[in-house]
Amino acid sequence: GAVVSQHPSWVICKSGTSVKIECRSLDFQATTMFWYRQFPKQSLMLMATSNEGSKATYEQGVEKDKFLINHASLTLSTLTVTSAHPEDSSFYICSARSRSSYEQYFGPGTRLTVT
Amino acid sequence: GQNIDQPTEMTATEGAIVQINCTYQTSGFNGLFWYQQHAGEAPTFLSYNVLDGLEEKGRFSSFLSRSKGYSYLLLKELQMKDSASYLCAVRVLGAGNTGKLIFGQGTTLQVKP
Repeated sequence: GAVVSQHPSWVICKSGTSVKIECRSLDFQATTMFWYRQFPKQSLMLMATSNEGSKATYEQGVEKDKFLINHASLTLSTLTVTSAHPEDSSFYICSARSRSSYEQYFGPGTRLTVT
Repeated sequence: GQNIDQPTEMTATEGAIVQINCTYQTSGFNGLFWYQQHAGEAPTFLSYNVLDGLEEKGRFSSFLSRSKGYSYLLLKELQMKDSASYLCAVRVLGAGNTGKLIFGQGTTLQVKP
């Protein structure tokens, strides 16, 4: 089956620093990748959708200058949380979909803690 | 706006059957998904409905009525490992006609012996 990996699986950083999270599709070409955020005991909130080679489309209320998304290849998308603050601490999950599929395949998630 | 409703919590007994309901009001509809999520892990795909009716897959079945904006996930022969959150998600078309998932708040199911 389709496999999506994320790196790192967890990260702790200091307030004011930036953190980059990678999302890779290992055995298929991901024409579209999605980034979600999930706070404890809450559901997944879509942050942005990125199509390979295009600028990401951000959901309402998500700051595009704070959450930088790059989808430079068909197998890799990155999310950079710039000038992180404690309220950015969350579980970040990516998913990927190929052109021919309706199904999204989720990565294992990255737990970010900002101190 | 987009609105997807599910019960917050449910409890059921091992070996029993449980039905988790989901109602939705979305701008556009391009399919409904059910996912299972264990704490601290990513969601795993359970089922997909795009036409009205019942889809059966082993112990899990999912039903859709588009006219009523309603779906349910049916879990049979419950096992302890089925204790998890169950997420209902509706696919809608976003910018550039790219399909995106809107998730409900999830239903936490606790299976008791």
